Amino acid sequence: QVQLAQSGAEVKKPGASVKVSCKASGYSLTDYYLHWVRQAPGQGLEWMGWINPSSGGTRYAQKFKGRVTMTRDTSMNTATMELSGLRSNDTAMFFCARKTAGRGFDYWGQGTLVIVS
Amino acid sequence: QSVLTQPPSVSGAPGQRVTISCTGSDSNIGAGHDVHWYQHFPGTAPKLLIHGDTNRPSGVPDRFSGSKSGTSASLAITGLQAEDEADYYCQSYDISLSGSDVVFGGGTKLTVV
Repeated sequence: QVQLAQSGAEVKKPGASVKVSCKASGYSLTDYYLHWVRQAPGQGLEWMGWINPSSGGTRYAQKFKGRVTMTRDTSMNTATMELSGLRSNDTAMFFCARKTAGRGFDYWGQGTLVIVS
Repeated sequence: QSVLTQPPSVSGAPGQRVTISCTGSDSNIGAGHDVHWYQHFPGTAPKLLIHGDTNRPSGVPDRFSGSKSGTSASLAITGLQAEDEADYYCQSYDISLSGSDVVFGGGTKLTVV
């Protein structure tokens, strides 16, 4: 069955970078766009951007442009999101989510908690 | 400030019907873009509840239904159950000169009283 398995929790210092990985199983990563969404404590869901794993093309939310980089390794069926210049208000749960055309985000990773302190 | 506006909270008694609104604009919902709804229990992955305005994925009870009109969409839950207590988010797409971005509502906390 389709699963997205994310890497484990991270604790980072302000100014550092963090990489969160998302390994797809049960389907080929290149068949669907992969998005990243974050949720800060007490806040709602916030879209960060997407990667087209087939081409490597990306689109980032304006808020994160210049700080976020989304990549993929098709041989590992894995996508990675890197966020740099971390600040305390970047403390959040980060989710990867598969998007199926016309169906929204039908599969989500379990989430990765990133604490900046 | 979210692009899509939802009430912060709604509540209802077991068995009752509640609705959650999602108000957008001409650049997102009003432009005809799909609205999707998610159920989210804190600390877990969100779950797709309604896709394409009105469609339920397999396994979602028919107590959940979606609708859309103009620049707004709604999620209705009938026969409210204690297990429905969660956060609910609408999601659509916003079009700008540079392309299309995903947008979420601010989320609505449903309390079953």
